[in-house]
Amino acid sequence: QVQLVESGGGVVQPGKSLRLSCAASGFTFNTYAMHWVRQAPGKGLEWVAIIWYDGSYTFYADSVKGRFTISRDNSKNTLFLQMNSLRAEDTAVYHCARALGGGGTAASYRFDPWGQGTLVTVSS
Amino acid sequence: IQMTQSPSSLSASVGDRVTITCRASQGISNYLAWYQQKPGKVPTLLIYGASTLHSGVPSRFSGSGSGTDFSLTISGLQPEDVATYYCQDYNSAPPVTFGGGTKVDIK
Repeated sequence: QVQLVESGGGVVQPGKSLRLSCAASGFTFNTYAMHWVRQAPGKGLEWVAIIWYDGSYTFYADSVKGRFTISRDNSKNTLFLQMNSLRAEDTAVYHCARALGGGGTAASYRFDPWGQGTLVTVSS
Repeated sequence: IQMTQSPSSLSASVGDRVTITCRASQGISNYLAWYQQKPGKVPTLLIYGASTLHSGVPSRFSGSGSGTDFSLTISGLQPEDVATYYCQDYNSAPPVTFGGGTKVDIK
């Protein structure tokens, strides 16, 4: 079955960096766009970034633009999120989510399934 | 685009008809999805295109609306429907915008 497993979260000081990974299985990874969506403790959902199926296009939320980089390795069925210059407000559970399309379609902005997430805590 | 859900929480009895509304700050046609997040679980897609049920979603869930005003209805609330429900705009994506969520529990 389709499975997404995130890793790489932890406690990090403000201004530091962290790299999240999302291992995908059970589907043809290189045909789907992928997203990162985060959820601060006790709060709602905030979309973070998208990458198209082939990595040719990426887009970011304003809140992370210039600090975060989404990438993928289709040979290893893995999605990444490089997070630099972390701030306290970046504290959240980070979920990877599969799109329902490969890129430039409306379906590419619907998410199913979602991974369980990895907690990132930014604190001194 | 801002997505505003109401109410922020509600409590209803088993079997009740429950309606959650979502308002977009500008017209988004029917590019609206609904997600369900059960306590301690990850979100799952319920409805897309404002009214199309995702595969495997029980028929007691329905969605309607177009433009700026949308609703999610549960026709006959079940204990397993206790969750927070989020609407999501994808008309102008990227970026993607979620509503603030509506928490539903059993009275």
